[in-house]
Amino acid sequence: QKEVEQNSGPLSVPEGAIASLNCTYSDRGSQSFFWYRQYSGKSPELIMSIYSNGDKEDGRFTAQLNKASQYVSLLIRDSQPSDSATYLCAVHSGGGADGLTFGKGTHLIIQP
Amino acid sequence: ETGVTQSPTHLIKTRGQQVTLRCSSQSGHNTVSWYQQALGQGPQFIFQYYREEENGRGNFPPRFSGLQFPNYSSELNVNALELDDSALYLCASSPSGGAANTGELFFGEGSRLTVL
Repeated sequence: QKEVEQNSGPLSVPEGAIASLNCTYSDRGSQSFFWYRQYSGKSPELIMSIYSNGDKEDGRFTAQLNKASQYVSLLIRDSQPSDSATYLCAVHSGGGADGLTFGKGTHLIIQP
Repeated sequence: ETGVTQSPTHLIKTRGQQVTLRCSSQSGHNTVSWYQQALGQGPQFIFQYYREEENGRGNFPPRFSGLQFPNYSSELNVNALELDDSALYLCASSPSGGAANTGELFFGEGSRLTVL
């Protein structure tokens, strides 16, 4: 059974600070890792993908992957109230017919 | 470039009925997958279609079935609806399928199904 674990929160962060979101996964053979942002009542939106160990930066977002520890994280710098949402971590095994395994998401609140 | 579109956006059914949800994939995307998201949960993989055939399935019973058409659009059919089928049903498309599938997905806005 493939599992992805996230702290459900809510995680409350002051505006302008760094928000740090974490995720662990059980399938050591996982190949691809994604962070989706989901606003209340809306569908998930892909914000970051990472495929190899280390850091990947895109604007205010940095994804970090450590396959040895089976750990993925997302850092949001200079947090804005518009970043308030649920952040879903998702993992893919690399198999052509496999779907994504999602965590339950972390609810992030940016306090003005 | 148009994104993934789904219909209907909301619908209400009663237990035992059947429902069909529709999805048009993003232009250029040949792989479509469906996910079920219950309230407060992450999306769960139902199945995936590539080249008009189901090529992957999650832990869902056979009463969940689907189709993919030559234009890559897709349908999700659910028979004998149960109360627990109440959820947001998400269609997602991907630019790569088969062995090239990296898992990168782009979601539509979803169809919210309520079963009474």
